[in-house]
Amino acid sequence: DARVTQTPRHKVTEMGQEVTMRCQPILGHNTVFWYRQTMMQGLELLAYFRNRAPLDDSGMPKDRFSAEMPDATLATLKIQPSEPRDSAVYFCASGRGQPKYGYTFGSGTRLTVV
Amino acid sequence: SQKIEQNSEALNIQEGKTATLTCNYTNYSPAYLQWYRQDPGRGPVFLLLIRENEKEKRKERLKVTFDTTLKQSLFHITASQPADSATYLCALDREMDSSYKLIFGSGTRLLVRP
Repeated sequence: DARVTQTPRHKVTEMGQEVTMRCQPILGHNTVFWYRQTMMQGLELLAYFRNRAPLDDSGMPKDRFSAEMPDATLATLKIQPSEPRDSAVYFCASGRGQPKYGYTFGSGTRLTVV
Repeated sequence: SQKIEQNSEALNIQEGKTATLTCNYTNYSPAYLQWYRQDPGRGPVFLLLIRENEKEKRKERLKVTFDTTLKQSLFHITASQPADSATYLCALDREMDSSYKLIFGSGTRLLVRP
């Protein structure tokens, strides 16, 4: 089965450090979402792309977060500088751009900022 | 503000019974409603989708209903099994700028007792 690959699976970093999370969407999928999941807030939409163009990143703290798709096989989410409140699981999902097919999620990156 | 509400309390049922989970939404006009399953330490997995003009959808032991007047979806698992124990998330798709923005509820945990 095709899968969405996220790296790293786990990341522990010190407050103030830069963190970069990567996602390889399924080949042929043209829509990519970034979500953050915490116990308190559930799954929050941070940003999404269609055909590599950012369509909405209103859920993302702009001062420290940035999301890009340098090419169709790679999406990145960067936090600089990281803070303890950024500790969460970050998920990437990809899809064909039409919701009738559903979306495929990666296994997530568990980020801990100490 | 837009809200998607799922019962935060876990649903605990006996094996063989039908599990029914609820998803309510306000201030939203979704084109599609999706249901996902999430196991601990994993990303959500797409199960089923229903369109705004459909009342009911079935897939094996799963059934979803969608009432746009009540702004509610019900998700049923018939002949439940312990392996069905997981968190179930509903998500609404709404077209924004010729694309679809997927927003999730907080999920309901289902426990099926043997």
